[in-house]
Amino acid sequence: GAVVSQHPSRVICKSGTSVKIECRSLDFQATTMFWYRQFPKQSLMLMATSNEGSKATYEQGVEKDKFLINHASLTLSTLTVTSAHPEDSSFYICSAAGTRVPTSSYNEQFFGPGTRLTVL
Amino acid sequence: KNEVEQSPQNLTAQEGEFITINCSYSVGISALHWLQQHPGGGIVSLFMLSSGKKKHGRLIATINIQEKHSSLHITASHPRDSAVYICAAPTGNQFYFGTGTSLTVIP
Repeated sequence: GAVVSQHPSRVICKSGTSVKIECRSLDFQATTMFWYRQFPKQSLMLMATSNEGSKATYEQGVEKDKFLINHASLTLSTLTVTSAHPEDSSFYICSAAGTRVPTSSYNEQFFGPGTRLTVL
Repeated sequence: KNEVEQSPQNLTAQEGEFITINCSYSVGISALHWLQQHPGGGIVSLFMLSSGKKKHGRLIATINIQEKHSSLHITASHPRDSAVYICAAPTGNQFYFGTGTSLTVIP
């Protein structure tokens, strides 16, 4: 099946620093990538949707200047948490949708393994 | 009211038991996803289905689009099935997620 990787899998940083998380589709072209956040014991929350070459669409309540998303190629999207604070500590997950097979639609999403961010 | 409701929230079963997790949704969709999240956090997509039934190993997923209801069944459950199972309903480019069902299978 389609594989999506995330890097790093775990990161600890000091408050005020910026952290970049990469999401890569390894064996297919991801025309759309999604970024989610999950707090402990809660469900996934969609943060933003990005289409290759376009600006990301952010969900209500998500600060676009704090969570910078870049989807510069069909295999890579990055999420940068700028000036991270302890309340940004969370599990960040990306998923990718694309044209792996001719019949694939936006409905078929493949999830990355996630990145656990801890801000001290 | 959540767009996607799952039940039960928590489930403990003995190894070998037949398990059912239910998902009801209120949004209009053409397909529904079942996801599995292990304690480490990684998510695996189990099924994407738009009608009828799909089977993969000991896992079976069914969906009734008219009734907006889906079920995930696990036959002959095993401790390694212990995980959180999440149903997700996509509409347009947005996913609505259920709160998840935490399953623990005891040897």
